[in-house]
Amino acid sequence: DAEITQSPRHKITETGRQVTLACHQTWNHNNMFWYRQDLGHGLRLIHYSYGVQDTNKGEVSDGYSVSRSNTEDLPLTLESAASSQTSVYFCASSENADTQYFGPGTRLTVL
Amino acid sequence: AQTVTQSQPEMSVQEAETVTLSCTYDTSESDYYLFWYKQPPSRQMILVIRQEAYKQQNATENRFSVNFQKAAKSFSLKISDSQLGDAAMYFCAKTDSWGKLQFGAGTQVVVTP
Repeated sequence: DAEITQSPRHKITETGRQVTLACHQTWNHNNMFWYRQDLGHGLRLIHYSYGVQDTNKGEVSDGYSVSRSNTEDLPLTLESAASSQTSVYFCASSENADTQYFGPGTRLTVL
Repeated sequence: AQTVTQSQPEMSVQEAETVTLSCTYDTSESDYYLFWYKQPPSRQMILVIRQEAYKQQNATENRFSVNFQKAAKSFSLKISDSQLGDAAMYFCAKTDSWGKLQFGAGTQVVVTP
């Protein structure tokens, strides 16, 4: 069965370190998205991609970057982790402007 | 800026009873999708129901149904015959024409025996 996976599921890091969160989908979807979830805010869009070599900034993109070298993967990089980036991160994919399917999430703690 | 508003931070319902979660949104588009996602303590985001804005018929999935009022920009979720497994955070979400989702802040559903 097609699926979307994220790794690691939990990560603790220190302020200033570079961190990369992986997202891999086997749906063969063109669209991929990264969100962060914080209490009281629901999910907010960080970056998104509509295909290979395409990346776009979302609502809360400062301090994050993504790259899309193939259809299956959209890694999210925190260039220099900050305590404000402690959050739960979700990756999602979709075929078009319709339903997004979500990964299980990564809980990131920045100390 | 487009927004999605869930005005009920928490709703409590007894088993077998019905609960309705409200959601309103702001948009200038005529074509879009609306969703309700369920998030249990496992954190997994689970699609409950989807509605295409150009369809007037309200979507239904087993015990879950929506009341979609396009002119009023309202999209409520009704959970019938509530079960203990329905306890979760529920998020209302809307896509724009490019497929980007915007979420409400969520409504926590508590189910009591």
